[in-house]
Amino acid sequence: DSGVTQTPKHLITATGQRVTLRCSPRSGDLSVYWYQQSLDQGLQFLIQYYNGEERAKGNILERFSAQQFPDLHSELNLSSLELGDSALYFCASSVDPRAAQETQYFGPGTRLLVL
Amino acid sequence: AQRVTQPEKLLSVFKGAPVELKCNYSYSGSPELFWYVQYSRQRLQLLLRHISRESIKGFTADLNKGETSFHLKKPFAQEEDSAMYYCALRVGTYKYIFGTGTRLKVLA
Repeated sequence: DSGVTQTPKHLITATGQRVTLRCSPRSGDLSVYWYQQSLDQGLQFLIQYYNGEERAKGNILERFSAQQFPDLHSELNLSSLELGDSALYFCASSVDPRAAQETQYFGPGTRLLVL
Repeated sequence: AQRVTQPEKLLSVFKGAPVELKCNYSYSGSPELFWYVQYSRQRLQLLLRHISRESIKGFTADLNKGETSFHLKKPFAQEEDSAMYYCALRVGTYKYIFGTGTRLKVLA
């Protein structure tokens, strides 16, 4: 077990709604990554935080936002949900992205279904 | 544009046969490439990274800058190798680009 936890495991909601996905990194990891995996798509990088600060942004929609809290857990907020937001959302953590042999450890994912 | 391409969605091989999972990348900088694997009912995990030049579970991958490829190879496939494999490119310090993945099925 990698130690990264994500809640909830599954989420079913309606279009127009707002949801919050939570990620707790492994103990000692300072960095958190968020990815979206839609049907037949690879993992799309959304955003990355290191020790509470945003360090990189990918193709994250303006309706989506995230933050990393002082206790290092992270939340991904998805608002004005659309059918196309249905996907598996992964969180990964690492000790320090600047390390030469940085390794990302992935959580089990949150499956979001927008009806 | 930064991109990772895995041309095969599904690759089926017989047990004992050689395996090659293809990965091509597009990146103007110095590439740092990885292979991740997801076994059934398990989490996505790192298999190997090119800078380590290591062999993990019999798999190797060589970075070919001329062909912009990082194919994953194993000389003799085993049934337990059946999984989803993703190639990933690290862009800068904090961003990763993943391919769409190849499902490997090793047939008995």
